[in-house]
Amino acid sequence: AQSVTQLGSHVSVSEGALVLLRCNYSSSVPPYLFWYVQYPNQGLQLLLKYTSAATLVKGINGFEAEFKKSETSFHLTKPSAHMSDAAEYFCAVLRSSASKIIFGSGTRLSIRP
Amino acid sequence: DAGVTQSPTHLIKTRGQQVTLRCSPKSGHDTVSWYQQALGQGPQFIFQYYEEEERQRGNFPDRFSGHQFPNYSSELNVNALLLGDSALYLCASSLEGLAGGETQYFGPGTRLLVL
Repeated sequence: AQSVTQLGSHVSVSEGALVLLRCNYSSSVPPYLFWYVQYPNQGLQLLLKYTSAATLVKGINGFEAEFKKSETSFHLTKPSAHMSDAAEYFCAVLRSSASKIIFGSGTRLSIRP
Repeated sequence: DAGVTQSPTHLIKTRGQQVTLRCSPKSGHDTVSWYQQALGQGPQFIFQYYEEEERQRGNFPDRFSGHQFPNYSSELNVNALLLGDSALYLCASSLEGLAGGETQYFGPGTRLLVL
C-alpha cells in the first residue's frame, strides 16, 4: 500500500529564511509525487509534480523539490520565505497504475516577520 | 478559461438529512474525483468518475454516492448525514484519469456542517 508521511505538522521560519518541508513516501512502484498548497478557506493549488522526467522539480512561487529514491523522500524547499507563503502544504503520491491520489496530513507553514 | 467550480460554497444540514454537492470540471477535463477534508487533516479520496462510471472508490460507506453527467459535471450525494460528515468536500478534475500522472485541478470546495 502506498502512503505519505509529512514530518512536522507545523513549521515556523523567519521571513527571508530557508523553507524546508519534509515528505517521505512508501510505494512499491516508482510513484508520481505532488506538492499542493492550501490557503485559508480555499481549495488546493498544485505547486509542483514529479513524473520521473527529472529528480529536481521546479514549481511555482520559487518552490522546488528533489526526488530521492534511496531515501524515499520528496522534500519541498524555497531559498527565501515570504510572508505570502504562509499556508498549509500537502505532499501527495500516486501510483502509476492507480487512479487516486493519497495525501499526507499536511504541514502548516508560518512566517515570522 | 474557467477552472473547477463547486456549489454551494457552504451548507448547513441536520443529522439524518441528505445533501447533494455539485462540481463542474475544468474545461476539457473528463474525469472528476471527490475528496473529503476534515478539519486539520489532508484530503481523503471518496471516489472518481470517468465516462459516467465510478471507476475507483475509497474507504467510504455506501451513504456516499455520486453521478457524472454527459457534460462531465458531477454530483456527490450523502444520505443519512452524521455529525462526522462535517468537512470540506473538494472536487478535482483531470484528463483521462491519473494513470499517466496528469495533474488534478481542485475546486474551492463546499464546506458542510452537520448539526
